[in-house]
Order: sequence, then structure tokens, then C-alpha cells
Amino acid sequence: NAGVTQTPKFQVLKTGQSMTLQCAQDMNHEYMSWYRQDPGMGLRLIHYSVGAGITDQGEVPNGYNVSRSTTEDFPLRLLSAAPSQTSVYFCASSYGPVGSRGYTFGSGTRLTVV
Amino acid sequence: AQTVTQSQPEMSVQEAETVTLSCTYDTSESDYYLFWYKQPPSRQMILVIRQEAYKQQNATENRFSVNFQKAAKSFSLKISDSQLGDAAMYFCAYNSNSGYALNFGKGTSLLVTP
Repeated sequence: NAGVTQTPKFQVLKTGQSMTLQCAQDMNHEYMSWYRQDPGMGLRLIHYSVGAGITDQGEVPNGYNVSRSTTEDFPLRLLSAAPSQTSVYFCASSYGPVGSRGYTFGSGTRLTVV
Repeated sequence: AQTVTQSQPEMSVQEAETVTLSCTYDTSESDYYLFWYKQPPSRQMILVIRQEAYKQQNATENRFSVNFQKAAKSFSLKISDSQLGDAAMYFCAYNSNSGYALNFGKGTSLLVTP
């Protein structure tokens, strides 16, 4: 049982490049979310999903795309990277409604856009 | 949207002493959940404690306890007998019963001195 696995752990991109941050969980969790963490800003919700085929936008969705074709995977795509997307990205999952047990978090991806 | 406010960007406590971290939130809902998460330098997000709004009894987990004041919309975390390993960022988070994700505060950095 690996929990929530995020890859890569570190990434440097050039402005304009695209990439996909991977997130996989093996706990059969229905709810999954992506957050970004910036200094002094806490964690802000980018996108979330309540099950395979169902996604929705969070607080800061611009420049990001998601899909959920399986229960296990929830990749985050950066369409055209910008320096403002330099951040630490966290994927999180929950078995049911988040309030019932809270999230299980991945270990994060530190992304630098130059 | 619900907002979570942590008014103390930084706090310091001596080893073996007690410290209280503050959190207030804004909501019009009556049924919701509150959380405290710990983020040590490893970057991993760790659930510390969870409180259900309909329960009047304050949650406790070993040395960690909360003071939940529903009318005042206040949810403070008390750490007793502080240890060096308690040094971390602490995030307060809110989830409404109908919500799909957590709303986080900006965090409080806790320093523990010998």
C-alpha cells in the first residue's frame, strides 16, 4: 500500500513548455485534489475530482488541466508553463467526503519555471 | 467561499512548554469539519487533529488538543509538552459537509527552542 504517489519530486521547466505531474493512489479513494503551495499563501485548490470522469475547478485553475479516467490516477497538466507557476504541488485523496477522515497527501512536486 | 485565517505567521515555544496556535474561519453553514495539519521540513502533510462541528466536545490526540468555539468561529490548537519534533508549519483547514475539498489558512510556522 503506497498511499499517494507523486512524480516527479522535482522539475525545472522553461517558459512555454508543457508537462504533466503524475498522481496515483492505491487506496480506492474517490475524492482527489490538486493544490499548490506558495510561501505565505497556504495551500490553494487547483482542481478536484469526486470520481472517475468527474472533475471541477478550484480556486486557481487557470493554466492547468486535469482528467480522471480511472479511480487511481489524477494527472495535472501544465499547458504552457509560466514563471508564476513556480510552486510546490500537492496531490491529495480521500476515501469519501473529505470531512470524514481528511486527506492523505502525496509528498509533493517542486516545480521551477525559468 | 469559506475563509480560514491564521493570524500568527510565526510562533516560538520552549521545549516542554505549551503553545496555542490560533485559527478563525468564516462560514454560514452549521455542519462542517475542521482540521489541523502539520508540515515539517520534509514537506509531508500530516493530519494532526480533526473536529466535527456538531460535536461540542473538543478533540484531543495525545499532546495535541483543540479549543473549538463554534459561536466565535474559532479553532485553536494547543500543543502541550512541546518537543523539538513539533517544529513545523501548521495549517488550519475547513471542510463544509457539502464541500469536496479543504480550504486552508496561510499557516503558522512554529519554532521549538531547547
